[in-house]
Amino acid sequence: QKEVEQNSGPLSVPEGAIASLNCTYSDRGSQSFFWYRQYSGKSPELIMFIYSNGDKEDGRFTAQLNKASQYVSLLIRDSQPSDSATYLCAVRYSGGGADGLTFGKGTHLIIQP
Amino acid sequence: NAGVTQTPKFQVLKTGQSMTLQCAQDMNHNSMYWYRQDPGMGLRLIYYSASEGTTDKGEVPNGYNVSRLNKREFSLRLESAAPSQTSVYFCASSVKTNTEAFFGQGTRLTVV
Repeated sequence: QKEVEQNSGPLSVPEGAIASLNCTYSDRGSQSFFWYRQYSGKSPELIMFIYSNGDKEDGRFTAQLNKASQYVSLLIRDSQPSDSATYLCAVRYSGGGADGLTFGKGTHLIIQP
Repeated sequence: NAGVTQTPKFQVLKTGQSMTLQCAQDMNHNSMYWYRQDPGMGLRLIYYSASEGTTDKGEVPNGYNVSRLNKREFSLRLESAAPSQTSVYFCASSVKTNTEAFFGQGTRLTVV
């Protein structure tokens, strides 16, 4: 069973603080991991992808991957009200079965001014 | 740059009616996907096309058919719409199946 688990939230963070979003996945052989942001009524928008263990930074965003523990996280530094959205974790599973990304149900993030 | 374009944006169907959702991408991507998004269920893969000329079932294919018309276009057909198919449908594309996917703006479909 391909599963991607996220805490649905809402996660409330003060403006300027660090928001930490977490995701776990069930297939140890997974190779590709993605974070998407989705505003209400809009389509998912790619924020970052990560393929290797460790951290990957892009501006205020840092993705962290730990394949041994099967989790991937997204840190948002200096959180802004415009970061308020639902964040979707996606995993490309290895092995047989349908290809394409498997998505978590998303974490609703609220940045409080 | 248009990216991934879906038509229509909104549609209301009566139970039993058929329709085709259209999707086109201008990024020269090889792989294309159809997802549906329902409250509390997240995004679920309906069908995908890893490359031109191939299509495969995803997680929830029942009640749908697809056509990869050419490298740019991937359509989703509902032959006999049911209220359970009320959802938001997203088309996406990627260079390959293991690379990042880019989404269209979505089609909000209501079946009454």
